[in-house]
Amino acid sequence: QKEVEQDPGPLSVPEGAIVSLNCTYSNSAFQYFMWYRQYSRKGPELLMYTYSSGNKEDGRFTAQVDKSSKYISLFIRDSQPSDSATYLCAMSAQGGSYIPTFGRGTSLIVHP
Amino acid sequence: DAEITQSPRHKITETGRQVTLACHQTWNHNNMFWYRQDLGHGLRLIHYSYGVQDTNKGEVSDGYSVSRSNTEDLPLTLESAASSQTSVYFCASSESRAPNEQFFGPGTRLTVL
Repeated sequence: QKEVEQDPGPLSVPEGAIVSLNCTYSNSAFQYFMWYRQYSRKGPELLMYTYSSGNKEDGRFTAQVDKSSKYISLFIRDSQPSDSATYLCAMSAQGGSYIPTFGRGTSLIVHP
Repeated sequence: DAEITQSPRHKITETGRQVTLACHQTWNHNNMFWYRQDLGHGLRLIHYSYGVQDTNKGEVSDGYSVSRSNTEDLPLTLESAASSQTSVYFCASSESRAPNEQFFGPGTRLTVL
């Protein structure tokens, strides 16, 4: 079993839909949780970053962490065609190298 | 503007050849990383460095090497390219050892025939 599991999709939704992207993990030491967005043939870029449990909101994006269930989510409201990309979750533990472990990424397609 | 660049962007080589992929960042970041990205596996860490003369093995380091002679560059060398090393390679950098944003380069698409 991988430390971080993420459904690769693709997830296809109509413009304006609310999107929910999720990851599960097995390492209870993970404290830092990140979402990266990767457009086709580009490098990933950081979208959201949270520490420990709770929610964080940034515009149309909300990141949610449930450490008791080892489950994190990224919600996108009012999705746009420009949101079409691959979304990778990443997480790291406190102390040590802090190097993140990445999920496989979920491909999202928002069609007009 | 500060940036991270990779070259070449595309490379086709033959099995057994030595290949070097370049990574250059102008943020003056201490930390630099090399990943490979394959369908079904996501991003996997090959090697990383916390500073000049420091290198460390990642999850999939066999067949790869790096050296860090200055802050800006971390070249990745495939000693004897194999077809299993056909992949997209990403270089990344970050400011400090504490968890924070990694800045990724645009990637190098390598094909080993």
